[in-house]
Amino acid sequence: RKEVEQDPGPFNVPEGATVAFNCTYSNSASQSFFWYRQDCRKEPKLLMSVYSSGNEDGRFTAQLNRASQYISLLIRDSKLSDSATYLCAVISSGNTPLVFGKGTRLSVIA
Amino acid sequence: SQTIHQWPATLVQPVGSPLSLECTVEGTSNPNLYWYRQAAGRGLQLLFYSVGIGQISSEVPQNLSASRPQDRQFILSSKKLLLSDSGFYLCACPPSGRVAGELFFGEGSRLTVL
Repeated sequence: RKEVEQDPGPFNVPEGATVAFNCTYSNSASQSFFWYRQDCRKEPKLLMSVYSSGNEDGRFTAQLNRASQYISLLIRDSKLSDSATYLCAVISSGNTPLVFGKGTRLSVIA
Repeated sequence: SQTIHQWPATLVQPVGSPLSLECTVEGTSNPNLYWYRQAAGRGLQLLFYSVGIGQISSEVPQNLSASRPQDRQFILSSKKLLLSDSGFYLCACPPSGRVAGELFFGEGSRLTVL
């Protein structure tokens, strides 16, 4: 089983739709979780950290489910500009480096 | 504010040729530095990371090597490139005062090996 797994998509949704991505991780001792956004042929950029209690930033909500070992990203009222690849990332323990999933591609259609 | 400079931005190299990619960081001191590669269909793969000058940890056995000759300089090298080395190479470090997983990436170097 891969350390971090994501559905590659693509998710094609109309503007204004709500879309959710999940990301599963294999190490139950994993400590820190993040969502990154990557535009085509650009570098990834941090979207948000995922806290145990869940967190919200505008139209974006991230949640952690430790029992089932997954994190989720919910995007409400999708905009055309949300089209990108969304990468989840996990730190397994201590000072281990960040491990990324392969990403989920989102296309928001007018 | 912190910036990461990577060069060259794009390069095309023949199989068997050498490689040197450079990354320099400004706006922070003694950062942890990372080299990731993103190949087609393979996601972001950690290649090397460094916690200080001369300290390199390798994550994946391969024909690549890394060096950190100065605090804010991280170099990725190869003596002989393989076709499989093609990809998007990204240098990263955590911004000052931020947790380890909140990485800031350079704009990357896109390598095509022919």
